[in-house]
Amino acid sequence: EIVLSQSPGTLSLSPGERATLSCRASQIVTSYLNWYQQKPGQAPRLLIYDTSNRATGIPARFSGSGSETDFTLTISSLQPEDFAVYYCQQRSNWPTFGQGTKVELK
Amino acid sequence: QDQLVQSGADLKKPGASVRVSCKASEHTFTTSGVTWVRQAPGQRLEWLGWISPYNGVTNYALKFQGRVTMTADSSTRTAYMELKNLRSDDTALYYCARDYPLVHAFDIWGQGTLVTVSS
Repeated sequence: EIVLSQSPGTLSLSPGERATLSCRASQIVTSYLNWYQQKPGQAPRLLIYDTSNRATGIPARFSGSGSETDFTLTISSLQPEDFAVYYCQQRSNWPTFGQGTKVELK
Repeated sequence: QDQLVQSGADLKKPGASVRVSCKASEHTFTTSGVTWVRQAPGQRLEWLGWISPYNGVTNYALKFQGRVTMTADSSTRTAYMELKNLRSDDTALYYCARDYPLVHAFDIWGQGTLVTVSS
């Protein structure tokens, strides 16, 4: 099983600042790395699929990058609605998720 | 508009079974898989398995094999997830999600169903 470790656990930032979230895999991810956003009381929402592709309706301030075992989600300029928990997910063998990074208001 | 609508919250005793339903649009049922993910309090999202509503093929996570059964009824466009022999650590929010082949990701999610296991 591929274990995904996200860092930091919590990111305290102000609106307008840049957020950089990391996702590290225990083995090389051979099949699709995706990112989701979850707000309290809501289901996760797909943000980025296949490492770097924005899902339908996702603003351009969200971008993804990386390869093999190291992946990054970047939010170029935080908006008030971006404060949430973010999960990475891979689907080599079977899908697993990271433990999440909470982006909170500083 | 593609959406997934799940059944309501459920309270079960240890050892019982629970069945959660997930009603989908026609488009989803004919083009995509349906995956089931759960979120226990304070835990990361956990994948339970996947079903193709088109042909009934399933793929279960090793951890849940023998305890989970996923089915789909094309006449009502409803997918089901049954979990047997419930334990207290099965208490979680259970989500169905569309596994869309063009993006290889879970692009539409149900609203979640809270399953509580308590004596």
